[in-house]
Amino acid sequence: TQLLEQSPQFLSIQEGENLTVYCNSSSVFSSLQWYRQEPGEGPVLLVTVVTGGEVKKLKRLTFQFGDARKDSSLHITAAQPGDTGLYLCAGPVSGGYQKVTFGTGTKLQVIP
Amino acid sequence: DTGVSQDPRHKITKRGQNVTFRCDPISEHNRLYWYRQTLGQGPEFLTYFQNEAQLEKSRLLSDRFSAERPKGSFSTLEIQRTEQGDSAMYLCASSFSGKTYEQYFGPGTRLTVT
Repeated sequence: TQLLEQSPQFLSIQEGENLTVYCNSSSVFSSLQWYRQEPGEGPVLLVTVVTGGEVKKLKRLTFQFGDARKDSSLHITAAQPGDTGLYLCAGPVSGGYQKVTFGTGTKLQVIP
Repeated sequence: DTGVSQDPRHKITKRGQNVTFRCDPISEHNRLYWYRQTLGQGPEFLTYFQNEAQLEKSRLLSDRFSAERPKGSFSTLEIQRTEQGDSAMYLCASSFSGKTYEQYFGPGTRLTVT
C-alpha cells in the first residue's frame, strides 16, 4: 500500500511568515500532485511534479519533488490569509487503474 | 463554467433512509472518481469509472453503496439504509485520459445522517 504522510498536521502562523509542509512516503511515485482545499469546497489542483529533484514555483508557493521521488515539500513565502486551507499531496497508485492516493493533509491557518 | 458539478451540496437525512447524489464531470473527461472525506482528512477512494464501466471499488464501499455512470456522462452514488457513520463529504472528480492523476473536483455533497 502506497501511503503518503504529511507533516505538520496543523499549522497556525502570522501573516508574513514563511512555512514548509512535507509529504513523505516509503514508496516511489511517478509523480506527486498538490491540492488546496477551502472549507466546504472540493480540492483544487495546484501543481504536478514529475522529475526527481524538480522545483516548481507558483507565485509565493515553491514545490519540490525529492530526488528519489518518495517525498515532496511545499514552501510558502510571506503567507497571507488567503493561503488558509487544507493542503493535500497526492500521487498515482501503481498497478491500480490510474487510482490516486491522498495524503493525510496539513491544515494551515494564516492569522492577519 | 464547465467545471465538475455536484448536486445536492448538502443533504440531511434520518438513519435508515436512502440518499442519491449526482455528479456531472467535465465533458471531455472520460474518467470519473468518487471519494469520501471526513473532517480534516484527505479524500478516501470509493470507486472509479472509465466511461460507463466501473473499474474498481474500494473495500470501504459496502453493499449499501452503489454507483452508476450510464452512457459515460453523469454519475450517481446511492447509499441505502444510511447509518450515522456515513456522515461525510462525498466528492466527485474527473480527469483526462492522458493525465488521470490530475483530478478536477466538484464542490462535494455534505451528508449528515441524524
